[in-house]
Amino acid sequence: EAQVTQNPRYLITVTGKKLTVTCSQNMNHEYMSWYRQDPGLGLRQIYYSMNVEVTDKGDVPEGYKVSRKEKRNFPLILESPSPNQTSLYFCASSFGTGGLNQPQHFGDGTRLSIL
Amino acid sequence: TQLLEQSPQFLSIQEGENLTVYCNSSSVFSSLQWYRQEPGEGPVLLVTVVTGGEVKKLKRLTFQFGDARKDSSLHITAAQPGDTGLYLCAGGNTDKLIFGTGTRLQVFP
Repeated sequence: EAQVTQNPRYLITVTGKKLTVTCSQNMNHEYMSWYRQDPGLGLRQIYYSMNVEVTDKGDVPEGYKVSRKEKRNFPLILESPSPNQTSLYFCASSFGTGGLNQPQHFGDGTRLSIL
Repeated sequence: TQLLEQSPQFLSIQEGENLTVYCNSSSVFSSLQWYRQEPGEGPVLLVTVVTGGEVKKLKRLTFQFGDARKDSSLHITAAQPGDTGLYLCAGGNTDKLIFGTGTRLQVFP
């Protein structure tokens, strides 16, 4: 079954404790991205990757890091989480460059709470 | 910065009513997608429109892309409780999608 898998689904942690949210897709998609979803703000892109070893900042990259060492995986790293990073996070993937006409396939989300 | 504003932000209606959701921007997009998101899940693509003025129908849902490719609308005829969810529009350009602010629809039996 074609899918995007995120882990963990839920995480409560404390300020400053490094964490990683994993994302894996089995559709051989070139494009992967991370979004955060906050009430009234829709989905905002954090980082994206057009292919292996190619990553770029989205609209809200501050406080986040990513890597793309393999095509299927695109982890999101919070080196020193802060309460304003409490949010619902989604990983997505698609063929091609991720923009024009390409449907995004989303994971089921990771709800992160930073105390 | 490109922005997509959706209206209304919230909509509560009775089963059988019709409704329209709007997605507006001052920017031109190469394509416009609509997604529906249910609680505990990621958004799922409903439709992509790519030509100015294009109209697409998906059962009781009708999607239209504005002539100038800056806006779009989603019309639902005879809404059902199963239509309940968060509807998101997303404008596409060469390397990214810009998502709208979302419309949360609740359809009561």
